[in-house]
Amino acid sequence: KNQVEQSPQSLIILEGKNCTLQCNYTVSPFSNLRWYKQDTGRGPVSLTIMTFSENTKSNGRYTATLDADTKQSSLHITASQLSDSASYICVVSEHIPTFGRGTSLIVHP
Amino acid sequence: NAGVTQTPKFRILKIGQSMTLQCTQDMNHNYMYWYRQDPGMGLKLIYYSVGAGITDKGEVPNGYNVSRSTTEDFPLRLELAAPSQTSVYFCASGLGGDGYTFGSGTRLTVV
Repeated sequence: KNQVEQSPQSLIILEGKNCTLQCNYTVSPFSNLRWYKQDTGRGPVSLTIMTFSENTKSNGRYTATLDADTKQSSLHITASQLSDSASYICVVSEHIPTFGRGTSLIVHP
Repeated sequence: NAGVTQTPKFRILKIGQSMTLQCTQDMNHNYMYWYRQDPGMGLKLIYYSVGAGITDKGEVPNGYNVSRSTTEDFPLRLELAAPSQTSVYFCASGLGGDGYTFGSGTRLTVV
């Protein structure tokens, strides 16, 4: 069964600090990996998307990495802001996406 | 562009009632999806469609039905509402290989 496991389940950091979220997957075949940000009560919004051949992709303060050999991805957030408080979801797919449970990030002032 | 529009945003149903969650997109996307998200859980795929006239079951299809008569619309039907269907429902659309666009969700409570 295709699975996407994310860690940690939740994370609390101080404003201005960096953090890294992890995603391990068993989805095969693999087409692409996406990271989404989901604010409370809202639908997910795409942050990055990487294909099999890409190993890093940046979007402002968000940098995603992908190791297709070990089936691992990470999302690094630099200089966190209060508005970064959200759930971050890793999604791995062929044409049907498999969602991780997400990491709940809380940024404290 | 409006993107993906879901209606209603909130709904309370009694056990055994039926309703249709509406989803429409104006981006000419072939792929459309319905997900449910329970508290603290990831999104689970209910049904999806790869184009008008084609629908397929996802991970948790029981208790739901869909139709895709046009590219734009992908309604989700609950025939006999049960408390286990209390959840937040998200509709999404995409081109298959690129990112997906999500609607803002429908919060459904079955009492």
